[in-house]
Amino acid sequence: GAGVSQSPSNKVTEKGKDVELRCDPISGHTALYWYRQSLGQGLEFLIYFQGNSAPDKSGLPSDRFSAERTGGSVSTLTIQRTQQEDSAVYLCASSIRQGVVPQHFGDGTRLSIL
Amino acid sequence: SQQGEEDPQALSIQEGENATMNCSYKTSINNLQWYRQNSGRGLVHLILIRSNEREKHSGRLRVTLDTSKKSSSLLITASRAADTASYFCATDARDDKIIFGKGTRLHILP
Repeated sequence: GAGVSQSPSNKVTEKGKDVELRCDPISGHTALYWYRQSLGQGLEFLIYFQGNSAPDKSGLPSDRFSAERTGGSVSTLTIQRTQQEDSAVYLCASSIRQGVVPQHFGDGTRLSIL
Repeated sequence: SQQGEEDPQALSIQEGENATMNCSYKTSINNLQWYRQNSGRGLVHLILIRSNEREKHSGRLRVTLDTSKKSSSLLITASRAADTASYFCATDARDDKIIFGKGTRLHILP
């Protein structure tokens, strides 16, 4: 597509539920990144993909967080048993390949855990 | 730990004035980038400066880089209401990971 697309744009769910966030990168971009942005804060790196593989999962906050990417395109970030501290904006970005800048960002998914 | 730290955290200026934001970082870099984020939106890339460059211009934007001080500045000249946004610096760390600072919230007053 023309830009990075994320869905849903907003998600409200109850504590303890699982959520799935989707990112559709720019066509042809092999690198895909997930970040978390808490209110008024900077970006916290979560995970990146080069193709379908995730060489660096060090940013995932806990084992409740997982991500996958299939077909070198769409990625899904899953948060299991959500907690209130998971409330944040989750941003996805893509670039032509890992290490190449700039990154192109989607508008994010605003996640609210009640 | 944060690689880039912006200063100030928030800045309010009158329309037409110049806005200067600073970024400090900790380790050696290959390049430094500045991004803008409008409320409720993703980040938009503004400008990249390489470690062997000292100054770069793009329209009303001027970026400087001082690798000896591990710092960069972003100057927006003749500010406009549309410049109201958060501005982030980003540096490449080891393993090509891009590290973002916490940002400067810029508010342009009419």
